This record gives sequence, structure tokens and C-alpha cells, in this order.
Amino acid sequence: DGGITQSPKYLFRKEGQNVTLSCEQNLNHDAMYWYRQDPGQGLRLIYYSQIVNDFQKGDIAEGYSVSREKKESFPLTVTSAQKNPTAFYLCASRLRPDSNQPQHFGDGTRLSIL
Amino acid sequence: AQKVTQAQTEISVVEKEDVTLDCVYETRDTTYYLFWYKQPPSGELVFLIRRNSFDEQNEISGRYSWNFQKSTSSFNFTITASQVVDSAVYFCALSRANYGQNFVFGPGTRLSVLP
Repeated sequence: DGGITQSPKYLFRKEGQNVTLSCEQNLNHDAMYWYRQDPGQGLRLIYYSQIVNDFQKGDIAEGYSVSREKKESFPLTVTSAQKNPTAFYLCASRLRPDSNQPQHFGDGTRLSIL
Repeated sequence: AQKVTQAQTEISVVEKEDVTLDCVYETRDTTYYLFWYKQPPSGELVFLIRRNSFDEQNEISGRYSWNFQKSTSSFNFTITASQVVDSAVYFCALSRANYGQNFVFGPGTRLSVLP
């Protein structure tokens, strides 16, 4: 089945550690996105990529990094510089960034600090 | 700038009641797209509907209906005869019809349907 796969579902980070969240899609979508959601809050955009080998900062990019070496993959690294990483992270993709198509979401990764 | 407002932070209804979730948007574009998403307690966002700015026809899908009014920049969502399974956070979103980061989400409305 086509869709977006995020892994792991739950992730724990130690102080000073970088962790990477995986996001893979087999929908052949050009655009991919990472959002952060804090409890009881809406979605905040971390990074987005409109095409392979290109990505742009969103509203809260500090302490995060991404790469887009393959069309189907858009991993997010939460670095030690992100002092408050505990949140729910959602990855999304879209057929084209300028299309009328919706964003499709993965099931999310819950990150917590040990 | 684009903006989406969902003034209702939380709504509680009793099962079988009808409920309307409000969405008001701001944009200077003439062509744009509007979306509704559902986020159940499990966390994933589920796409419900898309509406193009040039199509003001309202839509009904089972117990769900959407009222798009360009004159008031609103795209409201009504659930008829609500059920406990409708309990979720609902997000309205706006997308511009041009290249670039153009997807803006509202803050969401948490709907609780009580048995």
C-alpha cells in the first residue's frame, strides 16, 4: 500500500545526544514536510523540501537538521542544540508543493527526554 | 500573509447532537485551496476534504458537511448526529496556488462527544 512510514513510533533521547527520526514515502511525492506538535497545541513547521537535494527552514528550525538525498526519504535529526525536544513529530508529503492536493501524514514519532 | 483562525478551542457535545466547527481564513490570493483534517487520539492526521477557491459548492459526505462561503472567508464543518468516534482535534488549513511553502494550518478545535 502507498503511504508514509515514520519510525520509530517512540524515541528517547539522552542529554547531549543527537537522534534521527525516519520518514519514508512511496507515493512518489515531490514535497515533504516535518512538523512539531506540543501537547494540546497545533502544528509548527520545522523544515520542508520541495524537491530532492533542496530543503528550506520552517518556523522553528533551530536545533534541527534534515537531508533530502532521495525523493522518498526525508530524515529529521534532533540535535543536542534543541533544548526542549519532547514533542510529537509528524512527517507529511504532498504530490507537488504548488498543487491542490492535500498533505498526507505519517503516524508520527513521540520523542521524550530521558 | 495567509492565516487560518479556528476560534473554538474546545467543544463538548452529547452524542447525536449536531456540531459545527468554524474556520475563517485570510488570503489575498484569488486562487487557493482549503482543507480539513482530523486528528484522533492516536495522533495521525487524516485528510477529510479539499475545496478549491473557485468552487463554492457545498459538500456532504455521510454525516459530514462543509459550507464554503467566499464572501465571509469561511469554510465551516458540520457533523450531524455526532458519535463518540468523532472525538478528535480538527484542523482547517489553507494552501496557496503557487510554488513555495504555502500550507498554513489553523490552531485546531478539540471536539469531545460524550456518550
